[in-house]
Amino acid sequence: SYVLTQPPSVSVAPGKTARITCGGNNIQSKSVHWYQQKPGQAPVLVIYYDSDRPSGIPERFSGSISGNTATLTISRVEAGDEADYYCQVWDNNVDHPYVFGTGTKVTVL
Amino acid sequence: QVQLVQSGAEVKKPGASVKVSCKVSGYTLTELSMHWVRQPPGKGLEWMGGFDPEDGETIYAQKFQGRVTMTEDTSTDTAYMELSSLRSEDTAMYYCAALQDRSSAFDSWGQGTLVTVSS
Repeated sequence: SYVLTQPPSVSVAPGKTARITCGGNNIQSKSVHWYQQKPGQAPVLVIYYDSDRPSGIPERFSGSISGNTATLTISRVEAGDEADYYCQVWDNNVDHPYVFGTGTKVTVL
Repeated sequence: QVQLVQSGAEVKKPGASVKVSCKVSGYTLTELSMHWVRQPPGKGLEWMGGFDPEDGETIYAQKFQGRVTMTEDTSTDTAYMELSSLRSEDTAMYYCAALQDRSSAFDSWGQGTLVTVSS
């Protein structure tokens, strides 16, 4: 089945920019969604269809995609952005069409 | 705005079954494609199955085929996920999550139901 690979962790100082990558074969041909999950909480959608933001999500969150890598960028990082982040795609695979990335823990220093 | 409210935590013995519910409000169940995602303690998200709005059928991840059943009661707008032959590795938080169409994002999530499998 399709595999999405993320770095296990990213550390960033407050006010700086965090970039979280999500690698997958020809991922640019798919729609990539991103979720934020804080400890003890359900995931929350922060980016959908590669780069769209749901209402209520700060403009500091943005998404992009190129080649085999999708990227979630968090600008002007705040302490409240510390969380796990997951990418996700739909793949035309009858056995496992919905795939989540391995997850990235963002730590604000 | 969609709200998904799940049933409470469960403790089960190995070999037993568990049935988790997910009550929809703000929309009707027929307007959504409901799926189930689980997360073992300290681990990542794993899709288990859900309703494919284009085929009109419920699809399951191969890993859970034969052990999971997902149903819906449209009269009460409640979705159910039943997992049988439980083993310790099934200890996890189970989430219902809704999407609008096949390739869209899971834009609404339940609060999660912790299922603990222990002898």
